[in-house]
Amino acid sequence: DGGITQSPKYLFRKEGQNVTLSCEQNLNHDAMYWYRQDPGQGLRLIYYSQIVNDFQKGDIAEGYSVSREKKESFPLTVTSAQKNPTAFYLCASSGQGPVANQPQHFGDGTRLSIL
Amino acid sequence: EDQVTQSPEALRLQEGESSSLNCSYTVSGLRGLFWYRQDPGKGPEFLFTLYSAGEEKEKERLKATLTKKESFLHITAPKPEDSATYLCAVQASSGGANNLFFGTGTRLTVIP
Repeated sequence: DGGITQSPKYLFRKEGQNVTLSCEQNLNHDAMYWYRQDPGQGLRLIYYSQIVNDFQKGDIAEGYSVSREKKESFPLTVTSAQKNPTAFYLCASSGQGPVANQPQHFGDGTRLSIL
Repeated sequence: EDQVTQSPEALRLQEGESSSLNCSYTVSGLRGLFWYRQDPGKGPEFLFTLYSAGEEKEKERLKATLTKKESFLHITAPKPEDSATYLCAVQASSGGANNLFFGTGTRLTVIP
């Protein structure tokens, strides 16, 4: 079945540590996204990528980094510079053609907590 | 300022009691409006896309409608399995990924 796989489902970070969240899709989608979801807030965009080897900052990119070396994969690193990393992280992708108007499809998220 | 507001924040319905969820928006030119369903601990599941005022889409007990200022998600004769948070997202006219605005959702509980 086609879809988006995020791993791990739960992740714990120690102070000063970088952690990487995995996102893989087999939908043959060009565009991929990372969002952060906090209680009582709408999804906020961290980074997005429209093609391989290219990505742009979203609204809250500080303290995060990404790479897009393969079409299928868009890992997110939460660095020690991100002082409030506890959140639910969602990866999404959208289909061929212009970025606009294509619905985004989501993985089942990674919940990151601080130890 | 581009903004998406969903109401009510939470809604409790008896099984079979129809109702509507609201998504009002102020954006610089609507390119598309998306409805999603999100279950606890899961990612949002895509339901509908609406592109222009007057458009309607249906799926089982759900029907989405769109005007120039808001969208409604009508739930007819809901069942307990319809319990979830429903999210609305609006794509603004510039069309880039940075111009997709999400509401905070309506948490629906359907009581047997």
